[in-house]
Amino acid sequence: ETGVTQTPRHLVMGMTNKKSLKCEQHLGHNAMYWYKQSAKKPLELMFVYNFKEQTENNSVPSRFSPECPNSSHLFLHLHTLQPEDSALYLCASSPTGKEQFFGPGTRLTVL
Amino acid sequence: GQQLNQSPQSMFIQEGEDVSMNCTSSSIFNTWLWYKQDPGEGPVLLIALYKAGELTSNGRLTAQFGITRKDSFLNISASIPSDVGIYFCAGLESGNTPLVFGKGTRLSVIA
Repeated sequence: ETGVTQTPRHLVMGMTNKKSLKCEQHLGHNAMYWYKQSAKKPLELMFVYNFKEQTENNSVPSRFSPECPNSSHLFLHLHTLQPEDSALYLCASSPTGKEQFFGPGTRLTVL
Repeated sequence: GQQLNQSPQSMFIQEGEDVSMNCTSSSIFNTWLWYKQDPGEGPVLLIALYKAGELTSNGRLTAQFGITRKDSFLNISASIPSDVGIYFCAGLESGNTPLVFGKGTRLSVIA
């Protein structure tokens, strides 16, 4: 399944930097998600968008800011991150809100 | 929040052996999903289950939706080296609740 793409695949940033992660899907799905995956922990849902509207914000710190300009694109804007924010950030999309299809992820390292 | 208990946490098996893993929850789910994640990649959907008692196969993989609706099982027959990876279960209580993930089962296959 190569329908969900994420860029960049790897990102190293300092705590004072501002960067953005991008997710794109051309599967015609109306729901898109951001997840954080840390070692030894289950996937943590961060944000959910349905038809470009944010429907879930799972108590995520404000240093993470999502943007969904259309149903095919999802961004995660990052600023003043902490080292503990280092993780694999996964984007997913879904046609029904049940099965979710994931992108390859962005491996983020915060120095 | 809701958590899934996935076991075993890790497995080391000989090539050609069959593998079983399971996932249990404290509440009833109406959808169970099984994913596989390779290193450096996002999870890939293997099997989706929607009805209690449902048994679904995908090649050498077979998954079952437990009749209590609180558990699910994944079996892999005649394992091969490319089966190596982390297998995640995920469950959905209803259409309006987020997908809940297990912590994963790390499978290693010894040739």
